[in-house]
Amino acid sequence: GAVVSQHPSWVICKSGTSVKIECRSLDFQATTMFWYRQFPKQSLMLMATSNEGSKATYEQGVEKDKFLINHASLTLSTLTVTSAHPEDSSFYICSAPVEGNIQYFGAGTRLSVL
Amino acid sequence: GQQLNQSPQSMFIQEGEDVSMNCTSSSIFNTWLWYKQDPGEGPVLLIALYKAGELTSNGRLTAQFGITRKDSFLNISASIPSDVGIYFCAGRFSYQLIWGAGTKLIIKP
Repeated sequence: GAVVSQHPSWVICKSGTSVKIECRSLDFQATTMFWYRQFPKQSLMLMATSNEGSKATYEQGVEKDKFLINHASLTLSTLTVTSAHPEDSSFYICSAPVEGNIQYFGAGTRLSVL
Repeated sequence: GQQLNQSPQSMFIQEGEDVSMNCTSSSIFNTWLWYKQDPGEGPVLLIALYKAGELTSNGRLTAQFGITRKDSFLNISASIPSDVGIYFCAGRFSYQLIWGAGTKLIIKP
C-alpha cells in the first residue's frame, strides 16, 4: 500500500521554541495532505488541509499563525508549531489520500513541550 | 456538524473470541473506512467500503457498509493477542473523514 513517512517520531522542545514536522508521500504524489492532532484516549481531530502550491485550509478554532503549514512540493508537507507551549504537547499525525480518496497515515509525531 | 457514534467504547475479551463493533451516523456517507491504531503509531487502514450493502473481508476481519449508508460494522473472528489496539471507523464526506471515537480492544490473558 501507499507509504506516508512522518518525521520526527518524537520531539522534546523548550517552551517558546518552534518545531517543524515533515510529512512525505514516498511512492505517490499528494496534492492534498491532512494534519491531525490527537489527545490521549481520544479520536483524531482534523487541524488543517494542506494544499500543494496554495494556502492551507484550517479548521475552525485552529490558529493559522500558531500552526504554519507549507506544502511546497507534491511529496512534502510540513507543519511548524511556532512558539510552542506545554499545551501544544500532543500527538500530531499527517495523512495523504490515494486512489478512492483513501487516507494513508504517517506514524505520528509525539511533541512534548517543556 | 456530522457525528459518528462508535460502540462499544472498549471491549474486554478472551483470546479466541469473536469481536463486533459498529458505527452509526445521522448523515449519509459515500465511503466507510475502518482503521486500527497501535499506541504511539498512526492509524493503519484495515478495510475500505464503497457501496451500500458491501461486505468485505480482510483475513479474520469482516466489515459491512450499511444499506442506509448511515452505519457500518466490523467483526473480528477468533481474536489473537496482536488484535489489541484501538479501532476507529471513519466516514468520508467530500474530501474529509469524520471519525468515530474509537473502540479499545483488550484481550484478557
